[in-house]
Amino acid sequence: GENVEQHPSTLSVQEGDSAVIKCTYSDSASNYFPWYKQELGKRPQLIIDIRSNVGEKKDQRIAVTLNKTAKHFSLHITETQPEDSAVYFCASSKGWGGSQGNLIFGKGTKLSVKP
Amino acid sequence: KAGVTQTPRYLIKTRGQQVTLSCSPISGHRSVSWYQQTPGQGLQFLFEYFSETQRNKGNFPGRFSGRQFSNSRSEMNVSTLELGDSALYLCASSRTGTGAYEQYFGPGTRLTVT
Repeated sequence: GENVEQHPSTLSVQEGDSAVIKCTYSDSASNYFPWYKQELGKRPQLIIDIRSNVGEKKDQRIAVTLNKTAKHFSLHITETQPEDSAVYFCASSKGWGGSQGNLIFGKGTKLSVKP
Repeated sequence: KAGVTQTPRYLIKTRGQQVTLSCSPISGHRSVSWYQQTPGQGLQFLFEYFSETQRNKGNFPGRFSGRQFSNSRSEMNVSTLELGDSALYLCASSRTGTGAYEQYFGPGTRLTVT
C-alpha cells in the first residue's frame, strides 16, 4: 500500500543552524505534500505544503523541495530557533483536484534546537 | 474564523464499551477526516466524510464508524472498545475543491481504554 518514509527520526541542532528532514513516498499518483508541526500536547499545525506542479516553495525560514522523479520531498528550516523544537510530520495525498484527499503520514522527526 | 473543535477532549472508557466523538469543522469547510495517533503507529487515516457521505476509508475494523451531518459536523463511533484503541483521535477539516486541499486539525480527543 501507500507508504511515506521519513528520516531522521530525531534531529538535534544548535540555534542558528539549518535543519533538513527528508521524506520518500511510494505512490507516483501523489500530488500534494504538506508538512505539519506538532508541539507537545498540541494539534498538528500545517506549516507549509507543496503541489506536484511545483519544485520548490519557500515561506520565510521554511522551504520545501519536491523531486517527483525520485519521489522524495524535503523540509528545510534555516536559522533555527528554540521555538522550532517540535515533532515534524510529512504527508502525501492524491487529493489535489480529486477526491482522495486522505493524508499518508511519515513517522515524524523530533527536532530539538539547543540554545 | 474559529478553528476545528472536538469534544470531549478526554475520555476514559472500559473494554467492551462504546464511545462517540464529535468534531465541528471550520465554518465553510465541507470535508471532515478522522485520524488515529498512537506512539507506535503514528498518524493513521480512519475515514473522510464529504456532504454527509463517506468518501474514503482507511484500514480499520468495522468497529470504527462515522457520520456527517448536514451542517458538516461529524461524529465517529467506536464499538466494543479494546485496549489497543487507546489513542489521540484527531479530526481535520478541509474546504476541498481544486487547489484547496489543506487540512486543518482539531485539538483531538484523548481516549483511554482500561
